[in-house]
Amino acid sequence: AQSVTQLGSHVSVSEGALVLLRCNYSSSVPPYLFWYVQYPNQGLQLLLKYTSAATLVKGINGFEAEFKKSETSFHLTKPSAHMSDAAEYFCAPHGGYQKVTFGIGTKLQVIP
Amino acid sequence: GAGVSQSPSNKVTEKGKDVELRCDPISGHTALYWYRQSLGQGLEFLIYFQGNSAPDKSGLPSDRFSAERTGGSVSTLTIQRTQQEDSAVYLCASSLAPLRAGSQPQHFGDGTRLSIL
Repeated sequence: AQSVTQLGSHVSVSEGALVLLRCNYSSSVPPYLFWYVQYPNQGLQLLLKYTSAATLVKGINGFEAEFKKSETSFHLTKPSAHMSDAAEYFCAPHGGYQKVTFGIGTKLQVIP
Repeated sequence: GAGVSQSPSNKVTEKGKDVELRCDPISGHTALYWYRQSLGQGLEFLIYFQGNSAPDKSGLPSDRFSAERTGGSVSTLTIQRTQQEDSAVYLCASSLAPLRAGSQPQHFGDGTRLSIL
């Protein structure tokens, strides 16, 4: 089954600093890759998705992710963190299988 | 409302009681999923429905857990003889097409927070 590894269960950044959340996938065939965000006491929301149309994908709230096949990575970035970005972020592969194996999640803390 | 709706939002019950959790997916979404989210454990897949059938029940943790979906719409997750380890947030998601197709995201409800005393 396809799976992903999210490095860092907790990441802290200062407000205005670069956000980098790491996701590596394991599969010989690039799947569709999604990033979801979960705010406290809410379900997950789609942030962005890679569907092979373009390797650099832009999502909501200023986030983007770049698919790098050579590194089997799909890291999530945002140039300047905002307090409202504090949430938990999940990377997930889709396609080819009937269930999604989510990463463990990365909790982002933004320090004022 | 256009989103996935789950009820109740919170449930506190005594150990040994049965509980029933409800999920109303987005209209027209044929695929429906249940997940369990425990502190520090990430999202654990429980069961997947395509229409009213459940091709993948592999994630149900024990025979105390069951789920059904009727009319290709509402789904209920039932936990019998609840145990303290069942305490978690139970999330439901729906999507327009089966995950096998790949390109459709899952749309999540806000979950039911279950606490077993």
